Amino acid sequence: GAVVSQHPSRVICKSGTSVKIECRSLDFQATTMFWYRQFPKQSLMLMATSNEGSKATYEQGVEKDKFLINHASLTLSTLTVTSAHPEDSSFYICSASLKGASTDTQYFGPGTRLTVL
Amino acid sequence: GENVEQHPSTLSVQEGDSAVIKCTYSDSASNYFPWYKQELGKRPQLIIDIRSNVGEKKDQRIAVTLNKTAKHFSLHITETQPEDSAVYFCAATSRSGTYKYIFGTGTRLKVLA
Repeated sequence: GAVVSQHPSRVICKSGTSVKIECRSLDFQATTMFWYRQFPKQSLMLMATSNEGSKATYEQGVEKDKFLINHASLTLSTLTVTSAHPEDSSFYICSASLKGASTDTQYFGPGTRLTVL
Repeated sequence: GENVEQHPSTLSVQEGDSAVIKCTYSDSASNYFPWYKQELGKRPQLIIDIRSNVGEKKDQRIAVTLNKTAKHFSLHITETQPEDSAVYFCAATSRSGTYKYIFGTGTRLKVLA
C-alpha cells in the first residue's frame, strides 16, 4: 500500500516552454502532497506544500508564479513549471501523506527528471 | 531557521562492519524522525522512523536512536552488505506544519565487498 506515482518520469523541453508534472496517490487518499526539488548530489529541498482544495504554501525563495501547483482532488496534485529555463533542470519529486492517519509519514513518488535545453 | 545537520557526508565501510550516521536538529518541537534510503535516480524509500516519545527502535539490521535533550538522532546499520550502498537522508518534522519535513544533507554510504 501507500504507492505514489509521477508522470512523466523524464521530460526534455526547450527554454521558455511550460511543463506539467502529475503526482498521484494510487491506493490511498492524500491529505497533503509535497513537492521537492533535488539537484545532483544534493538533498531534497521542499518547494511547496499542497492541500486538497486550497492554495499551496510555498517555501521561502520559491516563486509561486513560476511553479504553479494545483491539488484538485485527494489523489492528484500537479506542478507546472512555467517558462522553464536551463537552471530549472532538476529532479522533481512529490510525496503524499495519508488522510486521517496519525502518522506523519510521507510516501514518495519516483521523481521526474526535467532537462531544459 | 530550522535545520538538520547530518554527518558524515560520505562513509565507506567493509562488508559486515557497522555504519553509523548522525543527525542533529534545531527545532525542539520536532516529534517525528524518519530515515530514507535513496539509490541513484530513484525515489527515497523509508527504512525506519522514530517518534519523540521513544528512545530507540530496531528493525532487523537497522536501528535508530533518539536523544531529545541533545536533539540528536542516529541511524545504525549492522552487518552491512553491498546492497546497503546508497545515499541516506535523515529528516525531522518542522513546527511550521504538521507534516513538513526538514531533510539532512545526506550521507553517501559505500559498502566495500
